[in-house]
Amino acid sequence: KQEVTQIPAALSVPEGENLVLNCSFTDSAIYNLQWFRQDPGKGLTSLLLIQSSQREQTSGRLNASLDKSSGRSTLYIAASQPGDSATYLCAVRPANDYKLSFGAGTTVTVRA
Amino acid sequence: GAGVSQSPSNKVTEKGKDVELRCDPISGHTALYWYRQSLGQGLEFLIYFQGNSAPDKSGLPSDRFSAERTGGSVSTLTIQRTQQEDSAVYLCASSSGPSAGKLFFGSGTQLSVL
Repeated sequence: KQEVTQIPAALSVPEGENLVLNCSFTDSAIYNLQWFRQDPGKGLTSLLLIQSSQREQTSGRLNASLDKSSGRSTLYIAASQPGDSATYLCAVRPANDYKLSFGAGTTVTVRA
Repeated sequence: GAGVSQSPSNKVTEKGKDVELRCDPISGHTALYWYRQSLGQGLEFLIYFQGNSAPDKSGLPSDRFSAERTGGSVSTLTIQRTQQEDSAVYLCASSSGPSAGKLFFGSGTQLSVL
């Protein structure tokens, strides 16, 4: 069974600092990995999706890397802003299944 | 529609009552998922539909839970004889197909069982 772990559980940084969020997974046979953002009381918004054959994806200030062999992904958010405050979730889709396994998330607070 | 729509957004019910939660996926999306998010816990997979078929019902917590999808579009998650432990946010997501990557989530239904 795929286990997805996100560390740290919570993070508080001053505005302007770069954010580094970590995700690890136990089974390297994955189809893809997604990073989501969740605001309080809202659903999830997909930020970046990395296919198993890719090493990284970038969108604006966001960059996600994938090291399948070591079972790790990292989400970098450059020059953080208070609007980046949210919970960030990592989800892994196995190679032979359709359902995603989610981490518990990292709750980020960016202080103005 | 423009996004995944779920209704109601909030539902308060008494223990023992039945509830129906509705999900309207993005038009043309053939894959539909239900997840549950309990306070302080991660997302728990409930059921997956491809078209109107549910090849994977492995996540349904008990036989009080059922789901259906009609016309390859709207899905309904039904919880019979609700219990307090059913209180959670129920999230629906859709994607353009089983091989598609990106999932689009609705805003969820907050279910509170008193």
